[in-house]
Amino acid sequence: DVKVTQSSRYLVKRTGEKVFLECVQDMDHENMFWYRQDPGLGLRLIYFSYDVKMKEKGDIPEGYSVSREKKERFSLILESASTNQTSMYLCASQDLHKNIQYFGAGTRLSVL
Amino acid sequence: AQKVTQAQTEISVVEKEDVTLDCVYETRDTTYYLFWYKQPPSGELVFLIRRNSFDEQNEISGRYSWNFQKSTSSFNFTITASQVVDSAVYFCALSGGTGGFKTIFGAGTRLFVKA
Repeated sequence: DVKVTQSSRYLVKRTGEKVFLECVQDMDHENMFWYRQDPGLGLRLIYFSYDVKMKEKGDIPEGYSVSREKKERFSLILESASTNQTSMYLCASQDLHKNIQYFGAGTRLSVL
Repeated sequence: AQKVTQAQTEISVVEKEDVTLDCVYETRDTTYYLFWYKQPPSGELVFLIRRNSFDEQNEISGRYSWNFQKSTSSFNFTITASQVVDSAVYFCALSGGTGGFKTIFGAGTRLFVKA
């Protein structure tokens, strides 16, 4: 079974803090994604990566950056957290042959 | 542009009722994939099914069935004899074609199944 692990289920941070959300997958997938999920808006793509050190902006990249130094790990960085970044963050890796994304359990981030 | 619409925000049923979750999609591509995912209260999205645009056969898996109709650009999901454990948010999604490997998700339908 594919396993996607997000390092934290819940995080509470203060405005202005630098925040790191970590995601690790164990299936050697090339593609990885970060989404945020807000009520009524579904999942919105923040960034994705199709290879080590390769990244592309998604639909809502402002205020975020990412890092992919190793194939299995994809990190989302909030350089200076703001209250409007309070949300559920979901990481996914993708089986390219089947075009299926597999998700982690999510990190619920609260910025106070 | 690709788009997925799930018009039902919330549905509430009593256990053992059948329930259908609607999904309408928009794409100009001829080759694409459609998906359904389930998000239980634990938070993790669980993959349920993938259909490609060339396969309009309906599919049944236990109490779950899916009706794909290209003529109406719909990919509806029916749960027969619903159970409390079916309570979750269900997402319909679309990928492929000009969107490549990016996946477009609908806003989700929250299903409550009451005992």
